Amino acid sequence: AQTVTQSQPEMSVQEAETVTLSCTYDTSESDYYLFWYKQPPSRQMILVIRQEAYKQQNATENRFSVNFQKAAKSFSLKISDSQLGDAAMYFCAYRSAFGETSGSRLTFGEGTQLTVNP
Amino acid sequence: ETGVTQTPRHLVMGMTNKKSLKCEQHLGHNAMYWYKQSAKKPLELMFVYSLEERVENNSVPSRFSPECPNSSHLFLHLHTLQPEDSALYLCASSLYRGSTDTQYFGPGTRLTVL
Repeated sequence: AQTVTQSQPEMSVQEAETVTLSCTYDTSESDYYLFWYKQPPSRQMILVIRQEAYKQQNATENRFSVNFQKAAKSFSLKISDSQLGDAAMYFCAYRSAFGETSGSRLTFGEGTQLTVNP
Repeated sequence: ETGVTQTPRHLVMGMTNKKSLKCEQHLGHNAMYWYKQSAKKPLELMFVYSLEERVENNSVPSRFSPECPNSSHLFLHLHTLQPEDSALYLCASSLYRGSTDTQYFGPGTRLTVL
């Protein structure tokens, strides 16, 4: 079974600075997808970024980028120019590419609570 | 706004009550999911429905009963719950095509069982 580990329960960053959230995962599969979701105080789970394991290029979405190291099974999220609205719980998630005929199972990490200080 | 809505947003119920959670997606997706989020624990997948058929039941107690009448609606019927069932219940949906899809979540229902 796959596992996802987020070793940082809490992180803080100054507004306008850069912060990196860590995620590692364990799998024996060669093809899969990785996600970062953000859950602000409203509790709405919002997709931040997605990475396909077969792509070597790191995904980027505006101020959010990932450092995907497949051999190390590491998938960190970098937030540049942090804003107060970035304060949230961030979850890393794994999805096998060899899922059932339809529908998919996401395995989540325990989350990292990010605080942005003004 | 992700196109997935959930009602009610908050629910308080006694252990003998029967209630239902509702989820609706406006994204044209073909798969829907129920997750449970408890404090200090990762999200737990409860049920997966694909094309209105249940494809996964992740060892959930029978006091939770899902229903998917069509591809846009998903219900979670609750009866004789326990206090440890208090949690945030999240619904998600996705469009499964081949081997890939991305799940989009609703805002959740905060359930408290007294």
